[in-house]
Amino acid sequence: GAGVSQSPRYKVAKRGQDVALRCDPISGHVSLFWYQQALGQGPEFLTYFQNEAQLDKSGLPSDRFFAERPEGSVSTLKIQRTQQEDSAVYLCASSPRRSGSYNSPLHFGNGTRLTVT
Amino acid sequence: KQEVTQIPAALSVPEGENLVLNCSFTDSAIYNLQWFRQDPGKGLTSLLLIQSSQREQTSGRLNASLDKSSGRSTLYIAASQPGDSATYLCAVYGTASKLTFGTGTRLQVTL
Repeated sequence: GAGVSQSPRYKVAKRGQDVALRCDPISGHVSLFWYQQALGQGPEFLTYFQNEAQLDKSGLPSDRFFAERPEGSVSTLKIQRTQQEDSAVYLCASSPRRSGSYNSPLHFGNGTRLTVT
Repeated sequence: KQEVTQIPAALSVPEGENLVLNCSFTDSAIYNLQWFRQDPGKGLTSLLLIQSSQREQTSGRLNASLDKSSGRSTLYIAASQPGDSATYLCAVYGTASKLTFGTGTRLQVTL
């Protein structure tokens, strides 16, 4: 596709439910990032993939958060037993180069807005 | 830990004015600094990327400067238009191989 696609655009979950958020990066992009953006805040790093390898998951807030990219393209962010504090916009971004190539801008999707009630 | 601060948090200007948005960061060991625009309910659009070896970048009415040693960047918008209304985010790419964002400046350009 022309850009990074995320689905669903909106998700409402009851506290304790599991959710799965999908990211389709730009075709051929090597690097994929997940960010969490709380209302009125800047995005916060969650995790980074280079192809299928998850090279950095230091930003995942708890073991309820899990991300995968099994074939090096589509990625899924899963949140188990959702809590109200998980309510945020989850942004996915991709880049054509490895993270070590520092000067390639990131291309962001429109995000998934998760509301936990 | 890298911290990025943006001032002001919100700004309202009449159409046609020139304006400056400020960004500061605590760790000067960065590879690049990027300015993004975010419209309500949308993702981020990259506006300008300044490499650590550069002092400024320009794109149309936008000019971004970088003073790495002092940990500062500015985004200058010339002849502002209502369509410039959005949140502007500054982000630095450092040794941790990830972008660290500021909290943004919410800009409103009025008619």
